[in-house]
Amino acid sequence: SAVISQKPSRDICQRGTSLTIQCQVDSQVTMMFWYRQQPGQSLTLIATANQGSEATYESGFVIDKFPISRPNLTFSTLTVSNMSPEDSSIYLCSVSPTSGGTDTQYFGPGTRLTVL
Amino acid sequence: AQSVTQLGSHVSVSEGALVLLRCNYSSSVPPYLFWYVQYPNQGLQLLLKYTSAATLVKGINGFEAEFKKSETSFHLTKPSAHMSDAAEYFCAVREGGGADGLTFGKGTHLIIQP
Repeated sequence: SAVISQKPSRDICQRGTSLTIQCQVDSQVTMMFWYRQQPGQSLTLIATANQGSEATYESGFVIDKFPISRPNLTFSTLTVSNMSPEDSSIYLCSVSPTSGGTDTQYFGPGTRLTVL
Repeated sequence: AQSVTQLGSHVSVSEGALVLLRCNYSSSVPPYLFWYVQYPNQGLQLLLKYTSAATLVKGINGFEAEFKKSETSFHLTKPSAHMSDAAEYFCAVREGGGADGLTFGKGTHLIIQP
């Protein structure tokens, strides 16, 4: 299994500002994913981040709002830009050791974001 | 496109009773199916997964799930509920062979009555 840490664990931000969330894994992984869990809701995939290539965004999510970096096989960042109260959510990093469909995805503890 | 439906946003059972959480999926190709549990203020933990080997899958904490292709279902069961099982349970699907993220159901909140 993979051990995943996220920073910050929680933050309270003002409308119009940006926050960068870091995800660190204790081993090299092929696939990294970012999910959003809005209050009382399920998880929604934001994007898939592969090292050395542009992130792939799901419908409804755009790079200008959620820029992602993946500089190496153990680290990724997600930025939530120009925040509004609707961005208040838990943001979760997830990793998959390989690109196989049977692979378990492991989840980080999440970053709880509140936008005022 | 793949999708997951979890019947019942809240399920309440008595301690010691059978737990049954329902999950139906829709997928255009053979799917890989997962059950995750989320305890209050914690991250997601994998309970079990189906990857086209055995149709009856055993997971952690006494949970198991059976893949039924004819019913497009992957229901989660546990013979005897424990107070510590109270949590949010998510069913998720990933289309076979892909390198995609997971599609999650809306979740079922399991309540254990003493």
